[in-house]
Amino acid sequence: GAGVSQSPSNKVTEKGKDVELRCDPISGHTALYWYRQSLGQGLEFLIYFQGNSAPDKSGLPSDRFSAERTGGSVSTLTIQRTQQEDSAVYLCASSRPGAPLHFGNGTRLTVT
Amino acid sequence: DQQVKQNSPSLSVQEGRISILNCDYTNSMFDYFLWYKKYPAEGPTFLISISSIKDKNEDGRFTVFLNKSAKHLSLHIVPSQPGDSAVYFCAASGGTSGTYKYIFGTGTRLKVLA
Repeated sequence: GAGVSQSPSNKVTEKGKDVELRCDPISGHTALYWYRQSLGQGLEFLIYFQGNSAPDKSGLPSDRFSAERTGGSVSTLTIQRTQQEDSAVYLCASSRPGAPLHFGNGTRLTVT
Repeated sequence: DQQVKQNSPSLSVQEGRISILNCDYTNSMFDYFLWYKKYPAEGPTFLISISSIKDKNEDGRFTVFLNKSAKHLSLHIVPSQPGDSAVYFCAASGGTSGTYKYIFGTGTRLKVLA
């Protein structure tokens, strides 16, 4: 079946612009995660959605970052007023609760 | 505060030999551990996991060992193949982080030499 789909695969934006990153999880997976990987770093947890529960936003690095998940499926990560330090690969993953995560191929964000 | 640490950024191994990748953690409440493999321009893919009630789990060429007293786990790949060349991440969950929040290490780049 289809895996986790992320779009766009690459995004170049100017400093100060807003960007939206999209994630389509695997059908039937109630858990959805956003991570990011900066150059030379590990995977940094950003936010977690589980069903209709309130999301865990504890990993969002600043209030310029927000995410929503509509209808328990598609998720959008929004970064407002982008900064150069936001440049990274943003990875989305989905899973059944307590099961290993299935990752998408990520969106490479470059802020110039 | 790096709760999951992979202290070796890179490792080179000859084809056919054993690859051993190490991971240390600080939170004694972690109870579920996973290894992921990542190729360039792709997302990480799940390899193998282990629960804290076990000290070993094997799947084909891949074996994960868990030493809870040392807060250490390792991934053994035998025999290593050139296609195993990738970045390997360990991850942990459980305890106060919540059973759902997976904390990842910084990764080890494995190169298997033909």
